[in-house]
Amino acid sequence: DVKVTQSSRYLVKRTGEKVFLECVQDMDHENMFWYRQDPGLGLRLIYFSYDVKMKEKGDIPEGYSVSREKKERFSLILESASTNQTSMYLCASTRTGESGDSPLHFGNGTRLTVT
Amino acid sequence: QKEVEQNSGPLSVPEGAIASLNCTYSDRVSQSFFWYRQYSGKSPELIMSIYSNGDKEDGRFTAQLNKASQYVSLLIRDSQPSDSATYLCALGFQKLVFGTGTRLLVSP
Repeated sequence: DVKVTQSSRYLVKRTGEKVFLECVQDMDHENMFWYRQDPGLGLRLIYFSYDVKMKEKGDIPEGYSVSREKKERFSLILESASTNQTSMYLCASTRTGESGDSPLHFGNGTRLTVT
Repeated sequence: QKEVEQNSGPLSVPEGAIASLNCTYSDRVSQSFFWYRQYSGKSPELIMSIYSNGDKEDGRFTAQLNKASQYVSLLIRDSQPSDSATYLCALGFQKLVFGTGTRLLVSP
């Protein structure tokens, strides 16, 4: 089974802090994604990566950056945390299938609270 | 921008009944469609994927896709209380777009 591991289940940070959310997958997947999930808004894509050192903006990249130095690890960085970044953050990975489509496998999520 | 619409619910059904969850989408190009189940406080897990028009069955679950009408549905037969969760519709090419989900409540 695919395992996607997010380093923290719960985080509490102060406004202005730099925050790192880490995600590791163990199935040699090429593609990795960061989503945030908020009530009434669903899952929204922040950033994704199709390969090492490669990144693409999703729908809501403002206030975030990412790093992918190794294939198995995809980090989300909040440069200066703000209260509107309080949310559930979900990392996901997928392989590039023959048809180009493959379901996402999610980590357990990190619930971040910014005070 | 792809859009995926789902009724937020809750959809309430008695145990043993058929639950019908619906999703409409705006993007005519999308070829892949997925249903995810999400229990409260947990991450989404894949239930079904469907790529072709028609029905696809897996146990108690049936996914139905109609590309001409741009809708995809999920039927859950013999609903159980353990099926109570939020069901997310998603579509796309690797980079998935999600609906906001329909909350299903199955009462004993």
